[in-house]
Amino acid sequence: QQPVQSPQAVILREGEDAVINCSSSKALYSVHWYRQKHGEAPVFLMILLKGGEQKGHEKISASFNEKKQQSSLYLTASQLSYSGTYFCGTEISNYQLIWGAGTKLIIKP
Amino acid sequence: ETGVTQTPRHLVMGMTNKKSLKCEQHLGHNAMYWYKQSAKKPLELMFVYNFKEQTENNSVPSRFSPECPNSSHLFLHLHTLQPEDSALYLCASSQYRGYGYTFGSGTRLTVV
Repeated sequence: QQPVQSPQAVILREGEDAVINCSSSKALYSVHWYRQKHGEAPVFLMILLKGGEQKGHEKISASFNEKKQQSSLYLTASQLSYSGTYFCGTEISNYQLIWGAGTKLIIKP
Repeated sequence: ETGVTQTPRHLVMGMTNKKSLKCEQHLGHNAMYWYKQSAKKPLELMFVYNFKEQTENNSVPSRFSPECPNSSHLFLHLHTLQPEDSALYLCASSQYRGYGYTFGSGTRLTVV
């Protein structure tokens, strides 16, 4: 039931782009994306509801392919502040998210 | 300050102790959650409360006991824990379906 996130880790130079994928074997109502920095709480980035919409948040955007039960998070022109671990949470039933294992993103100057 | 406040931030307890974790939100959210975060593991859902009613107990051992006296407060009572229970315990809240979660900063629990 746990969604599969890929890659597990990625190292970028500042200004480079990254894509993080989240794939589920279950039909999804929504997909959430969060970023967690070391020693801090996860911070909500965006939610994508079924319907295949794409959302954007500054230089971070995401898509949701309902048919494939997949979501992708796009980080454009990465900044040092983007470093952290990114989690997707997939909603199958009310009020419950099943979380991926996380993708660790390291941005180097 | 994220809008969800957890206390204490750090807790060290012996296996025979009884302690409680506290979570408070004044965001007007209807649902509150307890999560366990261990190193190199996904977030594990422990309990869900929706409008103060427990809607999910995710096969959590009885040594963890939740309490939700009102929609703004959530407690996690701990007793006779095991060393493997050492982890970061996160509280979160959400409005309802279709909205993101707001997490607290967590309680780092060490069981000795």
